[in-house]
Amino acid sequence: NAGVTQTPKFRVLKTGQSMTLLCAQDMNHEYMYWYRQDPGMGLRLIHYSVGEGTTAKGEVPDGYNVSRLKKQNFLLGLESAAPSQTSVYFCASTHSPGRVYGNTIYFGEGSWLTVV
Amino acid sequence: GEDVEQSLFLSVREGDSSVINCTYTDSSSTYLYWYKQEPGAGLQLLTYIFSNMDMKQDQRLTVLLNKKDKHLSLRIADTQTGDSAIYFCAANKFYFGSGTKLNVKP
Repeated sequence: NAGVTQTPKFRVLKTGQSMTLLCAQDMNHEYMYWYRQDPGMGLRLIHYSVGEGTTAKGEVPDGYNVSRLKKQNFLLGLESAAPSQTSVYFCASTHSPGRVYGNTIYFGEGSWLTVV
Repeated sequence: GEDVEQSLFLSVREGDSSVINCTYTDSSSTYLYWYKQEPGAGLQLLTYIFSNMDMKQDQRLTVLLNKKDKHLSLRIADTQTGDSAIYFCAANKFYFGSGTKLNVKP
């Protein structure tokens, strides 16, 4: 059971380049999330999804797009990378509310992105 | 959104107790969580508490919830060097504090 897997783990981009981070979970979770973590600012929610084919904006969505074409995958895209997007990105997933253990969030190990 | 606030640093000696505090703003928060993050790793769920509870104990961890003051704390008894990490509190699923870096000195 792999849990939540993120790829790639490390990436260096030039300003203006595009890239996609992939998150995959094998726990049949309905909800998936993308966060970014910056020093002294904790985790901030970028986008989230409550089910296949649905996405919603979080606290800091600008400059990012997401897609949830399959239940197990949640993709985070940067269309035109900027140095301000240098960060550590975490994907997470959970069951929907109301299930017995529905409120445990499982995190991936993080993706370190540097934009130069 | 909800504001979740924590102090940034805490330093204790090995064997002492550590208390990490957190305040939140949304009184309707149903679940409150504590996560641990070790260097270079993701977040690991330590424990959580339902909003209708005042206290939860799990081995060396004690969580106290004061709903009136919207204050949550995590006490680690007999703190060890392996407890050195960043600890995040979170309200419901979305909202995280900035994290408290716990440094345990031998």
